[in-house]
Amino acid sequence: QVQLVQSGTEVKKPGSSVKVSCKTSGGTFRRYAIYWVRQAPGQGLEWMGGITPIFGTVNYAQKFQGRVTITADESTSTAYMELSSLRFEDTAVYYCASGIVETLILGSYFDHWGQGTLITVSS
Amino acid sequence: DIVMTQSPDSLAVSLGERATINCKSSQTVLYSFNNKNYLAWYQQKPGQPPRLLIYWASTRESGVPDRFSGSGSGTDFTLTISSLQAEDVAVYYCQQYYSTLLTFGGGTKVEIK
Repeated sequence: QVQLVQSGTEVKKPGSSVKVSCKTSGGTFRRYAIYWVRQAPGQGLEWMGGITPIFGTVNYAQKFQGRVTITADESTSTAYMELSSLRFEDTAVYYCASGIVETLILGSYFDHWGQGTLITVSS
Repeated sequence: DIVMTQSPDSLAVSLGERATINCKSSQTVLYSFNNKNYLAWYQQKPGQPPRLLIYWASTRESGVPDRFSGSGSGTDFTLTISSLQAEDVAVYYCQQYYSTLLTFGGGTKVEIK
């Protein structure tokens, strides 16, 4: 059974950066795509981007292009999401989720989720 | 990007009654090569991460009660809860994975009438 465990709550100042980790276990890391989804308070789910180690590809939502960087360390089965130039509206719970991608041109559904990481941007 | 539009935003259903949620995509999510619809449904309860219910538009995830069913093809999809239980109170989201740029619907809140 695949498990995803995320790093803990953080409070950040506007303009700073945050890096959230997502450690996976119970599966073959390279087989899975790892995605990042955020949820602002009282709002819906928003896909930010994802990395697919087996294809060596990274995709970002246009909204976050230039501000988000998603990486993966296969040696530790851990994925990372770094968001820079933080704004008050980046306050949200950030989730990692996994899925299996069949081809380079298609995405995946999310069959396993991390517990979520609350990032609060406050002065 | 493929835009996913859910309706209604919320609905209240009596216990034991049917709940129906709609999801429409701005372009087809049916991949003609394999005739699969790249559409999933999730359930999210307060304070919890989302839970996968349905993928390929109509395949129930392991452990999901059979009162949950998905239907539709192309651009129009439906999630049906055949007999609403108290534990089904949640927000439900559709998601397309036809594109590598993934998108969710805005969510539908299901409550007990």
